[in-house]
Amino acid sequence: QKEVEQDPGPLSVPEGAIVSLNCTYSNSAFQYFMWYRQYSRKGPELLMYTYSSGNKEDGRFTAQVDKSSKYISLFIRDSQPSDSATYLCAMSEYYGQNFVFGPGTRLSVLP
Amino acid sequence: GAGVSQSPRYKVAKRGQDVALRCDPISGHVSLFWYQQALGQGPEFLTYFQNEAQLDKSGLPSDRFFAERPEGSVSTLKIQRTQQEDSAVYLCASSLGVTDTQYFGPGTRLTVL
Repeated sequence: QKEVEQDPGPLSVPEGAIVSLNCTYSNSAFQYFMWYRQYSRKGPELLMYTYSSGNKEDGRFTAQVDKSSKYISLFIRDSQPSDSATYLCAMSEYYGQNFVFGPGTRLSVLP
Repeated sequence: GAGVSQSPRYKVAKRGQDVALRCDPISGHVSLFWYQQALGQGPEFLTYFQNEAQLDKSGLPSDRFFAERPEGSVSTLKIQRTQQEDSAVYLCASSLGVTDTQYFGPGTRLTVL
C-alpha cells in the first residue's frame, strides 16, 4: 500500500459543477496537508495548505482534513474549463519538509 | 518577476551516458529542492539545499545521482551512467526558507533510450 493514495481519474465534469477530489493516507504523523495544481508540461503550483484537521476556504476552493479517517478533500465550486489540470495532494510531518505526494487526479472541465 | 527556470527542458540520453540538469531558483531564495516525477505519478523528493549546504539527500535513488549548489544559487543535478528507469521529469523548487511556499520550475523531461 502506498503512503498516499489518490484516484488518478480522469474525472470529467461539465462547467459549473462542484468537483470533489480526495486523498487517503496511512502515516498518522502527517500534520500539514497541501493541494497542488499541475497543468500539462508545467511544474506544480500550491493551491492551499491546511494544518491538522478542519476546513479552509479560499475563493472557489475548500480544503478539508479529517485526521481521524486519514482522509483529505478539495472541493472546487463553479468549476471552469481553466480548472482542467492534474490535482496533487501532498502531506508532511513538518511544513516545508519531505512532502509525500499522491499520484494526482486528472480533471477535465468541459465547456 | 522571473520564476524558477530549468534547462534543458527536454533531454534524450543513451543508456550509460552522463547528464547534467540545471536549476535557476528565484533570486534570494535560500532553499532549493529537487524532485523526480515519473509518468502518471506525483513528484518524489530527491534532495534539499539550504544555501550551498545539502542538508538532506535521503531521496537520491542511487550513488549515480549527485546534486550540487556551490554558490548557493544555481543548482545542478547530475546523473551518471543513466538507466532507462531514470526516465522521468526532474522538477526543481525554491523557497525563501524551508518552511515557506515552494515554487516549482517547469521541469526537465529526461528520456533514456
